[in-house]
Amino acid sequence: EAQVTQNPRYLITVTGKKLTVTCSQNMNHEYMSWYRQDPGLGLRQIYYSMNVEVTDKGDVPEGYKVSRKEKRNFPLILESPSPNQTSLYFCASSLSVGPNQPQHFGDGTRLSIL
Amino acid sequence: SQQGEEDPQALSIQEGENATMNCSYKTSINNLQWYRQNSGRGLVHLILIRSNEREKHSGRLRVTLDTSKKSSSLLITASRAADTASYFCATRTRGSSNTGKLIFGQGTTLQVKP
Repeated sequence: EAQVTQNPRYLITVTGKKLTVTCSQNMNHEYMSWYRQDPGLGLRQIYYSMNVEVTDKGDVPEGYKVSRKEKRNFPLILESPSPNQTSLYFCASSLSVGPNQPQHFGDGTRLSIL
Repeated sequence: SQQGEEDPQALSIQEGENATMNCSYKTSINNLQWYRQNSGRGLVHLILIRSNEREKHSGRLRVTLDTSKKSSSLLITASRAADTASYFCATRTRGSSNTGKLIFGQGTTLQVKP
């Protein structure tokens, strides 16, 4: 089944403790992206990747890192999480960055930083 | 600021009735897309309408686009309880060709009562 898989789905942790949210897609998609969803602010793009070893900042990249060493994986790294990063995170992928490509989303990761 | 504004924020109807949601946006677009988000799940792509199209159908979904008014509507006909979800419009602006960024509206929460 074609899908985008995120892990973990839920995480409660403390300020400053490094964490990684994994994202994997099995559709051989070139383009991958991370969004965060917050009440009243909607979904905002954090980072995106056009292909392996090509990543760039979205609208809200502060406090996050990403890597794209393999085509299928695009982990989101919070080196020193803070409470303002408490949010619902979504990974998305599409065949390419082309404008008419629909994006496929994972089921989300709910992070709570205490 | 986010591109899309959706109206209404919440909608409650009886099964079998039609549901109409509206979306407005601010800048020139390549296309406008509608996504559905079931509670606790990721976003699922429903339909994409290009900037040079005025209307598109997919099953019980009908989308219209008016680029002169920078607005779109999503009509779900003969609604079912399973249509209960949040619906988001998302735009690919002309400036997003290299970022793949989707700009989301705040969403409409639809409840379909059996």
